[in-house]
Parts: sequence; structure tokens; C-alpha cells
Amino acid sequence: QKEVEQNSGPLSVPEGAIASLNCTYSDRGSQSFFWYRQYSGKSPELIMSIYSNGDKEDGRFTAQLNKASQYVSLLIRDSQPSDSATYLCAVTPVGGGFKTIFGAGTRLFVKA
Amino acid sequence: DAGVTQSPTHLIKTRGQQVTLRCSPKSGHDTVSWYQQALGQGPQFIFQYYEEEERQRGNFPDRFSGHQFPNYSSELNVNALLLGDSALYLCASSRHRGNEQFFGPGTRLTVL
Repeated sequence: QKEVEQNSGPLSVPEGAIASLNCTYSDRGSQSFFWYRQYSGKSPELIMSIYSNGDKEDGRFTAQLNKASQYVSLLIRDSQPSDSATYLCAVTPVGGGFKTIFGAGTRLFVKA
Repeated sequence: DAGVTQSPTHLIKTRGQQVTLRCSPKSGHDTVSWYQQALGQGPQFIFQYYEEEERQRGNFPDRFSGHQFPNYSSELNVNALLLGDSALYLCASSRHRGNEQFFGPGTRLTVL
């Protein structure tokens, strides 16, 4: 079992729709959760961080965390073609010290 | 506010050679982590430096070594290069008590 799992996609949504990206993790004691956006040929860019159960909203982005289900998601409202990228889920496991574990990413395509 | 910088942008080496990659952290950050990202994969943690010491290491051989300088900048050294070392090498900086990491633009290493 991978420590952080994401559906590789691609996930295709029409412009203006809600894109839903999901991630599961194996270390039940994990404390910190992050979503990064990575455009092709570029480095990851931090979008959201979440530490407590529930929702956290920032503009068109909402991160959702459910520690009991070991599940974290990212919702992108009013998706734009410029949102087309790979979205990386990252987790800091409680037993991992200072290490951050990344999933392989989900490719998102927003069709105009 | 200067972000994370890395040099060089691209590098081509042959098997068996040695390479040094450089990173300057974001202003106000004192912790530097290095990651290797193969095509289609998420970043893999190599190691983290804080107070000029390696604080934690991922599953990488001793051919991978690093250093942090008093100004918080860092170097990643890879000896005896293998074809499989071809990847995007990412540097990320953070505050030592913070979890949010910010990535530099990366160095694309090609080993022939």
C-alpha cells in the first residue's frame, strides 16, 4: 500500500464546473496535509494546507480533511482552463519526522 | 520578497560523473529539503537540512549527500551518477517550526 494515493487521472471537467480531487493516506497519525499544483515542466506550487478535520476555503479552492477515513480532498469551484495542471497531495506522517510524502498526482484538464 | 532559487536550471552529465546542485531558500526560511521527481511521479524526499546539519534522510543511497551553509543556502551532491538519477531535483524551503514548504524552480538533470 502506498503511503499517499491519488487517482492519476486524467480528470476532465468543463469550464465553470467543480473539480473534485481525492487523496488517501496510510499513516493514521498524520498531522499535516497539503495540496500543490504543478504545471507541466514547472515546480510544485503550494495551494492549500489543512491540519484539522473539516473544510478550509481559500478563494475558489476548498480543502476537506477526514482523519477518521484518512481522506483529504480538494474542490476547485468555477474551474478555468488555467487550472489544468497536476495536483499533488502531500502528507507529513506523525512517525515520519520532518519528511513530507507526496502522492503521484492527479492530472486535471479543464475544457473551454 | 525573493523566493527559492536553484542553479543550474539544466545539467547534462555522463554516467560515473559527480554533480553539485545549489539552492537558496526563501527569505526568512532556515530549513531546506531536497526532493527528486521522476517523470510522472510525485517528489521523493531525499533529505532535510537545518542548522547546517542533516536532520532527516529518505531512502536514497550515500551517493547523495548535502550541505547547508550559515546563510541557510544548501547544496546537493550526487556521486557516481547512474542513468536512473536523471530527474528533476527540487529544493524546498520552510521555517523550522513550520510545515509549509515552498519549492524552487528545480534543476533538470540528465545522465547519459
